[in-house]
Amino acid sequence: GENVEQHPSTLSVQEGDSAVIKCTYSDSASNYFPWYKQELGKRPQLIIDIRSNVGEKKDQRIAVTLNKTAKHFSLHITETQPEDSAVYFCAAKVDTGRRALTFGSGTRLQVQP
Amino acid sequence: ETGVTQTPRHLVMGMTNKKSLKCEQHLGHNAMYWYKQSAKKPLELMFVYSLEERVENNSVPSRFSPECPNSSHLFLHLHTLQPEDSALYLCASSQDHGGAQHFGDGTRLSIL
Repeated sequence: GENVEQHPSTLSVQEGDSAVIKCTYSDSASNYFPWYKQELGKRPQLIIDIRSNVGEKKDQRIAVTLNKTAKHFSLHITETQPEDSAVYFCAAKVDTGRRALTFGSGTRLQVQP
Repeated sequence: ETGVTQTPRHLVMGMTNKKSLKCEQHLGHNAMYWYKQSAKKPLELMFVYSLEERVENNSVPSRFSPECPNSSHLFLHLHTLQPEDSALYLCASSQDHGGAQHFGDGTRLSIL
């Protein structure tokens, strides 16, 4: 089955700096890679996703890049703000058939004002 | 504003009690999931249902028993739980296992 590893487990940045979270996956058939943000006491919410037919996707201050050859994908947050502080989860799956997402172990991001 | 509603939000029970967690989705999805979230394993998949049929069971102990009577409702029946079962239980739904899963707010379960 799929195995997703996520690094770092914790990340502290100054407000305005960039943050990068990296994930690797094991199943070369995986073709859908979402990122979730979970604020303290709240449910995980999808913030951005990418499919394997593209290498990069941007949404305002958030971007995700995918390297299929190396089987890794990354989340980039620019101009970080205190409200970006949360736990971020990456995930991967084969987007056909009856398979569920495999999640990474999460990264706790702390943005210092 | 969530399309996935979980009840109760908090539950405290003894090890010999029987209780059920409920999840309802209003998004027209046809797949539903139960996850366990704890400090040890941040998002651990427990069960997957597609079109009311269980398609995945990640070696979950039999003291957890899922039920999916229709595509909008999912239950998790609890019986004779252990202290290590204390965790946040999250329900999610998606369409055809494709793309985004939408999560509920979870049930915070404490076993005494």
